[in-house]
Amino acid sequence: EDQVTQSPEALRLQEGESSSLNCSYTVSGLRGLFWYRQDPGKGPEFLFTLYSAGEEKEKERLKATLTKKESFLHITAPKPEDSATYLCAVQARGIKAAGNKLTFGGGTRVLVKP
Amino acid sequence: EAQVTQNPRYLITVTGKKLTVTCSQNMNHEYMSWYRQDPGLGLRQIYYSMNVEVTDKGDVPEGYKVSRKEKRNFPLILESPSPNQTSLYFCASSSGQSRGTDTQYFGPGTRLTVL
Repeated sequence: EDQVTQSPEALRLQEGESSSLNCSYTVSGLRGLFWYRQDPGKGPEFLFTLYSAGEEKEKERLKATLTKKESFLHITAPKPEDSATYLCAVQARGIKAAGNKLTFGGGTRVLVKP
Repeated sequence: EAQVTQNPRYLITVTGKKLTVTCSQNMNHEYMSWYRQDPGLGLRQIYYSMNVEVTDKGDVPEGYKVSRKEKRNFPLILESPSPNQTSLYFCASSSGQSRGTDTQYFGPGTRLTVL
């Protein structure tokens, strides 16, 4: 069974204090790993897709990396507006990918204080 | 503006009273899905559709029905809601299954409470 575990569950940062979020996964053939941001009361907002180990993607203060067992979301010099829950999800190969099904982790709640 | 819309955004109902949550996308996407989000369980797929008239079960389909009569719409139907279906529901759509087209875009969510 595909499984995604995110750590830590919650993270409190001072503005400017860089940190990393972890997403560990087990999947029988990874097709893609997705990062989303979710603000309270809103739907997940797409950030990145990573397909191969060694791949990296960047967007403003966020950088996502991928290995064969885990992905990291690095937040560099965060600002209060980066406060959100960050969700990691995997998509498996083959029939389990039907409908582009995503298996999500529980998320990391990030609070950035000014 | 490219978007996925859901209605209603909030709904309080009673056990057994049939309800429908609508979902519409304006991106001409082939694939649409419904997920529910529960504390400690994360987001789980309920049903998905790969095209008009093509639907299939996800991980937690019990108690739900869907239909896909038009490409843009994918309603979620609860024929006899029960309290364990109290949850936050999200509709999502994507254009294809190849790299770069498999990203799912989510709607704003529908918070359902079944008393």
